[in-house]
Amino acid sequence: IAGITQAPTSQILAAGRRMTLRCTQDMRHNAMYWYRQDLGLGLRLIHYSNTAGTTGKGEVPDGYSVSRANTDDFPLTLASAVPSQTSVYFCASSILAGDTGELFFGEGSRLTVL
Amino acid sequence: GQNIDQPTEMTATEGAIVQINCTYQTSGFNGLFWYQQHAGEAPTFLSYNVLDGLEEKGRFSSFLSRSKGYSYLLLKELQMKDSASYLCAVRDSNYQLIWGAGTKLIIKP
Repeated sequence: IAGITQAPTSQILAAGRRMTLRCTQDMRHNAMYWYRQDLGLGLRLIHYSNTAGTTGKGEVPDGYSVSRANTDDFPLTLASAVPSQTSVYFCASSILAGDTGELFFGEGSRLTVL
Repeated sequence: GQNIDQPTEMTATEGAIVQINCTYQTSGFNGLFWYQQHAGEAPTFLSYNVLDGLEEKGRFSSFLSRSKGYSYLLLKELQMKDSASYLCAVRDSNYQLIWGAGTKLIIKP
């Protein structure tokens, strides 16, 4: 089934540890995004990539890094996790040009930093 | 700054109609989206408006007034499965999405 897959679905992490959230899509979408969702706040964009080989910073990029080596994969890395990074993380993808730009979301990764 | 406002929570009765409002102030406008998000799940696309007026899609309709910075999502013949959060998002002049905090809709029998 075509779609977007995230892993892990849930993780508890000690502060200071490094963590990579994985995201893979098989829809050949050129754009990919990482959002975090916190209670009472709208989705906030962390980083994005409009095409393989390029990345950009979103609204809340500090403490996070991404890479886009190919079209399908867009991992998000927390170099040294802090408790404020406790959140639900959603990866999403879209076709950039020629349509509405509808986002397709993965099922989310719930991260708890202690 | 950029801002999307929508009510935090609404309650409605099964079989009834509910209107969820969204007002926005953004740097430019390149479309408005509504997404549905069931608890513990990913958001899923409902509708897209870029021109003024009403877009109807089955039991769901979405309205846009660009001059007023206003949209609403209308849900008819409410079903229990419509209990979810409804997210309003506006694409700004940089083609970035600005998201509202979402409206939690509770459907009562």
